[in-house]
Amino acid sequence: RKEVEQDPGPFNVPEGATVAFNCTYSNSASQSFFWYRQDCRKEPKLLMSVYSSGNEDGRFTAQLNRASQYISLLIRDSKLSDSATYLCVVNPRAGNMLTFGGGTRLMVKP
Amino acid sequence: DAGVTQSPTHLIKTRGQHVTLRCSPISGHKSVSWYQQVLGQGPQFIFQYYEKEERGRGNFPDRFSARQFPNYSSELNVNALLLGDSALYLCASSLQGGPYEQYFGPGTRLTVT
Repeated sequence: RKEVEQDPGPFNVPEGATVAFNCTYSNSASQSFFWYRQDCRKEPKLLMSVYSSGNEDGRFTAQLNRASQYISLLIRDSKLSDSATYLCVVNPRAGNMLTFGGGTRLMVKP
Repeated sequence: DAGVTQSPTHLIKTRGQHVTLRCSPISGHKSVSWYQQVLGQGPQFIFQYYEKEERGRGNFPDRFSARQFPNYSSELNVNALLLGDSALYLCASSLQGGPYEQYFGPGTRLTVT
């Protein structure tokens, strides 16, 4: 089983739609969680950290479910510019390594 | 403020050769991490350095090595290149070592022929 798993998609949604991605992780001792966004042939950019209590940044909401070992990202009112690959990132064990999922591709259509 | 910078942008090498990739972190950041990203996959952790010391190592062969300099810039070296080393090599900087928020440079795209 992979340490961090994501549905690769693509998720095809119309503008204005709400879309949600889940990401599961295998190590229950994981401490740090992030969502990154990566545009085609560009570097990943930090979208948001994920806190135990959940957190929101504008149209984006991240949740952590430790019991079921998954994190989620909700995007409301999707824009064309949200089209990208969304990478789930976890610190799976003690130490400094961050493990990336394979990414979920989102395509927002007019 | 300047972000993370990497050089070169692109590189073409032949099997068996050696390559050195360079990274300068965001001003004030003391930690640099290196990742390899193969097309269609997420980045894979190679190394993390903090205050010039190695703080983490991923599952890569000994052909991969790195170091960090007093000004916090870093080099990634890969010896005896294989075709499978073709990838985007990403450098990320953070304020301190550890599993904290990291900010990526544009990457070096390495092609091994």
